[in-house]
Amino acid sequence: NAGVMQNPRHLVRRRGQEARLRCSPMKGHSHVYWYRQLPEEGLKFMVYLQKENIIDESGMPKERFSAEFPKEGPSILRIQQVVRGDSAAYFCASSPPSSGGTYNEQFFGPGTRLTVL
Amino acid sequence: KNQVEQSPQSLIILEGKNCTLQCNYTVSPFSNLRWYKQDTGRGPVSLTIMTFSENTKSNGRYTATLDADTKQSSLHITASQLSDSASYICVVSARGSGTYKYIFGTGTRLKVLA
Repeated sequence: NAGVMQNPRHLVRRRGQEARLRCSPMKGHSHVYWYRQLPEEGLKFMVYLQKENIIDESGMPKERFSAEFPKEGPSILRIQQVVRGDSAAYFCASSPPSSGGTYNEQFFGPGTRLTVL
Repeated sequence: KNQVEQSPQSLIILEGKNCTLQCNYTVSPFSNLRWYKQDTGRGPVSLTIMTFSENTKSNGRYTATLDADTKQSSLHITASQLSDSASYICVVSARGSGTYKYIFGTGTRLKVLA
């Protein structure tokens, strides 16, 4: 059972371009979370998705950022018109369908490091 | 406001020594608390997870404690190894409306020297 996969691992974009980050959750996992980590800082929650639904996007900037988790295929985090401040590591995590219990562990991918020139 | 604070921010110890990392939280309603290890350039990996009723949980040389009354947790690392050099992140989850919110601490950066 492969872990959470993210690609690309490294992405370089010039200001104004678009960045697309992909996340394939673990097999059987239907919940996906995106986090951003700025250099020397902790992870910050961005968005929580289930298949075809955005459950919580309270951590997502209102403009330029969007996320989707289609019925088929990976989850995509899309950043339009990137700026230098978007340079960060973006981590995806997945978890299985909630069983109603208190254990709902997230498994993290290796991250995508975005550099905006 | 839901917050998780960790201390110290960074720590340097010699190989073979023990150390304890602290986590204080103000999260409600509390569901569980996890400690993650994040190696440089990698994603976080879970070390321990504890619910409200659990006081201590061990995973090899890692032992986590939880005091739900004072809202404090600690991660104790015994007989440290060079490979323990990493960031250790405390994550507290709050449950509401059938979903979970995860609040991350900023982590403690541990450096183990030979």
